[in-house]
Amino acid sequence: GAGVSQSPSNKVTEKGKDVELRCDPISGHTALYWYRQSLGQGLEFLIYFQGNSAPDKSGLPSDRFSAERTGGSVSTLTIQRTQQEDSAVYLCASRQWTGMNTEAFFGQGTRLTVV
Amino acid sequence: AQKITQTQPGMFVQEKEAVTLDCTYDTSDQSYGLFWYKQPSSGEMIFLIYQGSYDEQNATEGRYSLNFQKARKSANLVISASQLGDSAMYFCAMRETASKLTFGTGTRLQVTL
Repeated sequence: GAGVSQSPSNKVTEKGKDVELRCDPISGHTALYWYRQSLGQGLEFLIYFQGNSAPDKSGLPSDRFSAERTGGSVSTLTIQRTQQEDSAVYLCASRQWTGMNTEAFFGQGTRLTVV
Repeated sequence: AQKITQTQPGMFVQEKEAVTLDCTYDTSDQSYGLFWYKQPSSGEMIFLIYQGSYDEQNATEGRYSLNFQKARKSANLVISASQLGDSAMYFCAMRETASKLTFGTGTRLQVTL
């Protein structure tokens, strides 16, 4: 596809279960970001991948959150032992690494509801 | 300290009028980029406009322009001739050298008849 693809679009899970959220970036984009957006709020940075560099994990809220990016393309965000406060929209974005002025393209997000 | 500050949680503007959405930023880098995104109620994030720290001219894209005042560290978005479809959340964001993209808390714009 031409854009950033995220799956699933919606996920309802029980408290305490693990969930995996997937992001397929635009082909050729070497930078990939994950953000969390709670209802009516701004975008909270979670993690940033850039090529083969070590990811910037400074935004992950707890050790229940982890992410990986395989082969420099697809990324998976994993939340272990989900809590109700994890309910939010999780947004993924990708960008070409060709300079400061290239914008990030966002996926449609995964709406996670923990019940 | 907040990297990006948007002090207007909500704004109203009448159709066909111009509106300015405020954004100030904090960085010690010399090279950085500033972005504005629009998020309609559908939830998608739409890129609007970019301003580089070394750009001498204010960026413009159609009805959007960026009032960049480097010394004051502000990058306000100006929307001219507002339309009903401009009603949305607007986010200012900054990318410092080889770094993540940091967003402000957003401004909700409501365009009225």
